[in-house]
This record gives sequence, C-alpha cells and structure tokens, in this order.
Amino acid sequence: AQTVTQSQPEMSVQEAETVTLSCTYDTSESDYYLFWYKQPPSRQMILVIRQEAYKQQNATENRFSVNFQKAAKSFSLKISDSQLGDAAMYFCACLTGANSKLTFGKGITLSVRP
Amino acid sequence: DAGVIQSPRHEVTEMGQEVTLRCKPISGHDYLFWYRQTMMRGLELLIYFNNNVPIDDSGMPEDRFSAKMPNASFSTLKIQPSEPRDSAVYFCASSLNRFGYTFGSGTRLTVV
Repeated sequence: AQTVTQSQPEMSVQEAETVTLSCTYDTSESDYYLFWYKQPPSRQMILVIRQEAYKQQNATENRFSVNFQKAAKSFSLKISDSQLGDAAMYFCACLTGANSKLTFGKGITLSVRP
Repeated sequence: DAGVIQSPRHEVTEMGQEVTLRCKPISGHDYLFWYRQTMMRGLELLIYFNNNVPIDDSGMPEDRFSAKMPNASFSTLKIQPSEPRDSAVYFCASSLNRFGYTFGSGTRLTVV
C-alpha cells in the first residue's frame, strides 16, 4: 500500500510570486505515478499535473512544474506567477502499477494575496 | 463529453433514512471509483469497479454502505440507515487508464 504525506496544512503567496507545495510519498512499487489535483471552492477535483516515476524529467504544465526527487520520495509542486484563481486546496496523490487506486494526501490550502 | 455526472449535488436527510447517491461515468471508461471526503480523514477510497465488477470494497466503512454497478453507465452508493457521521462529500470518478481519472462534482451529504 502507498502513503502520501502533505505536512503543511496552509500556505499563502503574494500574487505574481512563486510558491512551492511539498509532498512526500512511500510505496514499495517500482511502477507508480504521481499527481497534483486542485480543488477550488466549487469542490471540483481538477488534475493539475502528473509525473510518471520512470521519467527523470520533471513534468511541466504552463505555470505549474514539479520537483520529483525519486530517491527522497519527494514530489513538490511549484506555481510560478501566482494568480488569484490559484487559490484552492491542493492534493498530492499516488497511483501504483499494482492497482488503479489513487491514494491522496490530506491536502494543503493555498491562499493568494492580491 | 459531459464528464462524470453525479446526483444529487446536495442531500439533506434525517438520521435513520436511506440515502442513494448516483453516478454516471464517462462513456467508455472501464473503472469507476467512489471516494468520500471529510475534514478529518481527507479523501478516502470506498470501493472501485472494473468492467462493472466490484474489485476492492475494503474502504467501505461498514455494512450500512453498499454500492452497485448494474451496467457500464450507472452506479449507486447506498447508505442504510444513515447516521450523522456519514455527513461528507461523496465523489465518483471514472477512468480508462491510469491518467484518465475524471471526477464528478460530488454530492454533499448532510445527515441531521
């Protein structure tokens, strides 16, 4: 079974600045996938970015990028040029090759100051 | 593609009543998942189906909870009898592959 830990419950960032959200995970599988989901107040779960564990290159999606440190089992999300619409809860999640179940961290609430 | 459709969006019921939550997955997706979200426990997987067959129901909290998927386009999660501690947001998600997890908008259940 895999576990996902997000130790920071809340973070705040100034508009246009950069913020990094931390996540660590643990799995005994060699084949796994990591995700960041955004949940705005509308409560819709929105996929932000995904990373295949076998890829060394960090995934990037526009202003969102990850720092994937496989040996340390760390998977942080960097949001550049933060916008007011980025304010939401962010969840880190892991899915292993052994099954199709996504395991989520507890989430972090990000606020963006104008 | 209308996405994963859940109904109702909100449900308020009295303790002891039966509650049925509904989900229509994306056409062609072969996996369907039911998650529960609470402040205390975060997002928990309750049960998931593959090709309409329940694969893992180890997350179902107790016998009061049951889930069915009679066909590829419909699933229900039933709570009978409901209790105040069942109050949560219940999400349905469907997937064709590991990258294709799509969530519905969730049902906010309040048991009073």
